[in-house]
Amino acid sequence: EVQLVESGGGLVQPGRSLKLSCAASGFTFSNYYMAWVRQAPKKGLEWVATISTSGSRTYYPDSVKGRFTISRDNAKSSLYLQMNSLKSEDTATYYCARVLRIIPTYWYFDFWGPGTMVTVSS
Amino acid sequence: DIQMTQSPASLSASLGETVTIECRASEDIYNGLAWYQQKPGKSPQLLIYNANSLHTGVPSRFSGSGSGTQYSLKINSLQSEDVASYFCQQYYDYTFGAGTKLELK
Repeated sequence: EVQLVESGGGLVQPGRSLKLSCAASGFTFSNYYMAWVRQAPKKGLEWVATISTSGSRTYYPDSVKGRFTISRDNAKSSLYLQMNSLKSEDTATYYCARVLRIIPTYWYFDFWGPGTMVTVSS
Repeated sequence: DIQMTQSPASLSASLGETVTIECRASEDIYNGLAWYQQKPGKSPQLLIYNANSLHTGVPSRFSGSGSGTQYSLKINSLQSEDVASYFCQQYYDYTFGAGTKLELK
């Protein structure tokens, strides 16, 4: 059974940093692209970052590019999201998701973790 | 960027009824569309991929259709466990529709 479990969320002040983790099990982690998707309270879903199987390729939307860094440790079956220069608009539940690719940059998300909440506030 | 317009924003239906949710893309997305269900307090779950393929374990009362810029999710014979929010997502730059909240009448 595919399992994804996020951790590391919490309350952080604007301008500070936070690192999220996602522990994966039930599948061969190193064979899959992985992603982070967030959801602000009572709002819709926003893709945040994707990483290739080896970690050599990363993808971000403009809203987080230069502030967020996605990484992975295949030996530990773990995914990470380093978030710097946090803003109030980054307040959201952050989901770790497994990526299914149709072609290199054309994908959807087939399994999601339960999420971890990040609140950016002074 | 490709914009996804999802409708309706909310929907109230009776048990056993058939409901349809629609997503319109701002340009042709060539069936690169997925549908997700999110129950209250839970994470999203994949229902449909490639516009019309049912994900493993999803009941057959769910179906997807469409092409070009217009896509729809249909739920036949609505069950109480289908109360949830539903989102579409296109594959090109990974934007989601704003969601449809489905409630029982």
